[in-house]
Amino acid sequence: DGGITQSPKYLFRKEGQNVTLSCEQNLNHDAMYWYRQDPGQGLRLIYYSQIVNDFQKGDIAEGYSVSREKKESFPLTVTSAQKNPTAFYLCASSPALSYEQYFGPGTRLTVT
Amino acid sequence: KQEVTQIPAALSVPEGENLVLNCSFTDSAIYNLQWFRQDPGKGLTSLLLIQSSQREQTSGRLNASLDKSSGRSTLYIAASQPGDSATYLCAVVQAGTALIFGKGTTLSVSS
Repeated sequence: DGGITQSPKYLFRKEGQNVTLSCEQNLNHDAMYWYRQDPGQGLRLIYYSQIVNDFQKGDIAEGYSVSREKKESFPLTVTSAQKNPTAFYLCASSPALSYEQYFGPGTRLTVT
Repeated sequence: KQEVTQIPAALSVPEGENLVLNCSFTDSAIYNLQWFRQDPGKGLTSLLLIQSSQREQTSGRLNASLDKSSGRSTLYIAASQPGDSATYLCAVVQAGTALIFGKGTTLSVSS
């Protein structure tokens, strides 16, 4: 069953802690993306990766970090430097950059 | 900088009505345009992808059109059903970039 998985679905953390969100795909896609969605807002791009061991900052990369050690995996770390981390985080992949994107189910992060 | 706008922000219609959702973008140099559906608390489901060279795409009761020169796209939903209730997002991509999203139109179809 091909697709994109994100875990966990809900995540709670205390302020000041780093937290890592998981994203895995078995679609054999080269490109992967992380977006953030806030209530009443469209999605905003955090980071994207076109290929293993390469990634680029999106519009709101401050306070986030990523890695792309394997084609299938693109984890996102929300660091304590991110001022407003509470949001819905969505991971996506596509065969290559600028191709049709497919999305995972999302992780809702709440930081208190 | 590319900006995507969706109007209206919310729409309520009775079941069976045909409806149109609008999407506009400021830079016509797009690679493609994608329409998504999002149910509350869920991820995005791709509905239709229109390449920049295409004028429209159809899938079942959905038809999306693209007028690149005027920076507009419409999503037409025929014979709406309560199950169509969701937020519909429009997004464009320019060569070498990721998707740029509008804020969406939240549709409510009453039975």
